[in-house]
Amino acid sequence: GAVVSQHPSWVICKSGTSVKIECRSLDFQATTMFWYRQFPKQSLMLMATSNEGSKATYEQGVEKDKFLINHASLTLSTLTVTSAHPEDSSFYICSAPDLSGTSGNEQYFGPGTRLTVT
Amino acid sequence: GENVEQHPSTLSVQEGDSAVIKCTYSDSASNYFPWYKQELGKRPQLIIDIRSNVGEKKDQRIAVTLNKTAKHFSLHITETQPEDSAVYFCAASTAGNTPLVFGKGTRLSVIA
Repeated sequence: GAVVSQHPSWVICKSGTSVKIECRSLDFQATTMFWYRQFPKQSLMLMATSNEGSKATYEQGVEKDKFLINHASLTLSTLTVTSAHPEDSSFYICSAPDLSGTSGNEQYFGPGTRLTVT
Repeated sequence: GENVEQHPSTLSVQEGDSAVIKCTYSDSASNYFPWYKQELGKRPQLIIDIRSNVGEKKDQRIAVTLNKTAKHFSLHITETQPEDSAVYFCAASTAGNTPLVFGKGTRLSVIA
């Protein structure tokens, strides 16, 4: 199946700093990528849809000025958590569908990024 | 928008018994229903999926059933093993470039 990578796998940062997370589709082009957030013992919640060459669309309650998304190429989307605070500590996971394949609906997940804000 | 409900939230079974997890969805336009297994700190792993033109799908010990009329789908695991212990999520989506909506998850414990 298709492969999605994410970097870094974990990061610890101080409150008030910014952190950038990269999501790459390694063997397919992804015009759309999704960013999810998962708090401990909870489900994956969609934060935003990243669209190559256009603005991201954010879910209700997600601050677009705090979670900056850039989808500058067909294989890379980045999520920047600006002015991070302890409540932003979470597991961030990206996914992308390989629309060129036969299983057009299947989403391929990155390995996730564990963010801890101290 | 789509809403996916999942039950039960926790499930304990004896090794060798079967486990069933049920989900309902609200959007009749949803046509793709995957099931994921997630171990602590790792990405969700697709274990089986079903599309709305199929009523049942089986892969070895795992099966999924879909009732479009009632808008519910279920995961069946037979002959459970301790390594089946994990959190399982159901999800639903429409077209391939739309996001998945997840259920809240079921923590399955298989007791040896």
